[in-house]
Amino acid sequence: EPEVTQTPSHQVTQMGQEVILRCVPISNHLYFYWYRQILGQKVEFLVSFYNNEISEKSEIFDDQFSVERPDGSNFTLKIRSTKLEDSAMYFCASRGLHQNTGELFFGEGSRLTVL
Amino acid sequence: AQSVTQLDSQVPVFEEAPVELRCNYSSSVSVYLFWYVQYPNQGLQLLLKYLSGSTLVKGINGFEAEFNKSQTSFHLRKPSVHISDTAEYFCAVSDPRWFGNEKLTFGTGTRLTIIP
Repeated sequence: EPEVTQTPSHQVTQMGQEVILRCVPISNHLYFYWYRQILGQKVEFLVSFYNNEISEKSEIFDDQFSVERPDGSNFTLKIRSTKLEDSAMYFCASRGLHQNTGELFFGEGSRLTVL
Repeated sequence: AQSVTQLDSQVPVFEEAPVELRCNYSSSVSVYLFWYVQYPNQGLQLLLKYLSGSTLVKGINGFEAEFNKSQTSFHLRKPSVHISDTAEYFCAVSDPRWFGNEKLTFGTGTRLTIIP
């Protein structure tokens, strides 16, 4: 069964460092998303991406964040200068063109720890 | 704006006992409702969803949920749980008007622990 894959599963970084989280969405999907979950808190929407541009972003997704689809398979989230409060589990999700029911397919998540 | 409340952060249940995980939502418009499950070391997986029609929806692994519009609830139930049901369960909503730009609003999750 096709699935969304994310790398790395866990990354530890120093505050101020740049981090890139990678995602490989399901191959025929066209809508891509990043969500995050700070420990003990809600899963929060960060950004949606379609047709090589951001569709919507939340207040969390400030200038320190960026997303990119550098090739036909990867979808990346970059945090330019990490802060302690960026420590969280980051989930990538995707959906297909004709799925207009809100159902998203999620990856296993990338745990980011900022020291 | 929409919000989701899962009042129970942790629910311990004995094996083969029934369980209900509560979810209430707030929205000024009609919504789509979802339950996602996260098994240990895995991603979020759709358990079931309500879009329209029958208010009782059935999902995978014997779970079901009932949409109650008057109480703005979407509680998840299973008549007899198994050890393998140990997981984190998330209730979520989305706005049907945002076709092509689904943004799920999640609750804080309920950790279901099955006691042998």
